[in-house]
Amino acid sequence: GAVVSQHPSWVICKSGTSVKIECRSLDFQATTMFWYRQFPKQSLMLMATSNEGSKATYEQGVEKDKFLINHASLTLSTLTVTSAHPEDSSFYICSAGGRQGAPDEQFFGPGTRLTVL
Amino acid sequence: GESVGLHLPTLSVQEGDNSIINCAYSNSASDYFIWYKQESGKGPQFIIDIRSNMDKRQGQRVTVLLNKTVKHLSLQIAATQPGDSAVYFCAENRDRYKLIFGSGTRLLVRP
Repeated sequence: GAVVSQHPSWVICKSGTSVKIECRSLDFQATTMFWYRQFPKQSLMLMATSNEGSKATYEQGVEKDKFLINHASLTLSTLTVTSAHPEDSSFYICSAGGRQGAPDEQFFGPGTRLTVL
Repeated sequence: GESVGLHLPTLSVQEGDNSIINCAYSNSASDYFIWYKQESGKGPQFIIDIRSNMDKRQGQRVTVLLNKTVKHLSLQIAATQPGDSAVYFCAENRDRYKLIFGSGTRLLVRP
């Protein structure tokens, strides 16, 4: 149990376009979902925390108008990178938490590799 | 600012030997710590966790030690195997769900 998927697994886009990444908890209801960004050979940096049905909480330095997060249901959160630029190229990872019986645990998705040309 | 960090960026061990990966944390109020394994191009995989009311916890081939006095965390892997080669992160659970990740240690297992 506790499987989290992401789609797409990789995406290449042109500079200036927008890209949407989906994160789904497949076998449990996730009251909270998290979005991380990971640059090559670096650690995971939390971008934002989203709770189902409410606005996301962004970490300091993360532009909320550039990284739009929607958590419309207990099994789906989306991250949209708007007007993407080459410096947004990164590995984006989501996690889901709040599973019944494991309130403190986060279950991670496989990540999405974004390359902006 | 407060952070979770690692002493060694790369650790090379002989297959069959034991591995020890270290982590220092700075927030003395943290009460929950997790070790993750990340293989190239994949998301983090949960290995083992420990709460602050414990000093040691064992899993299958892995042991986590917590020293709250010096704010130090370690992951021990017994009989290291080639499949253990990956980057290992410690993470500190802060503000209930919020995870702060350390900088990571790459474990290389020599055949």
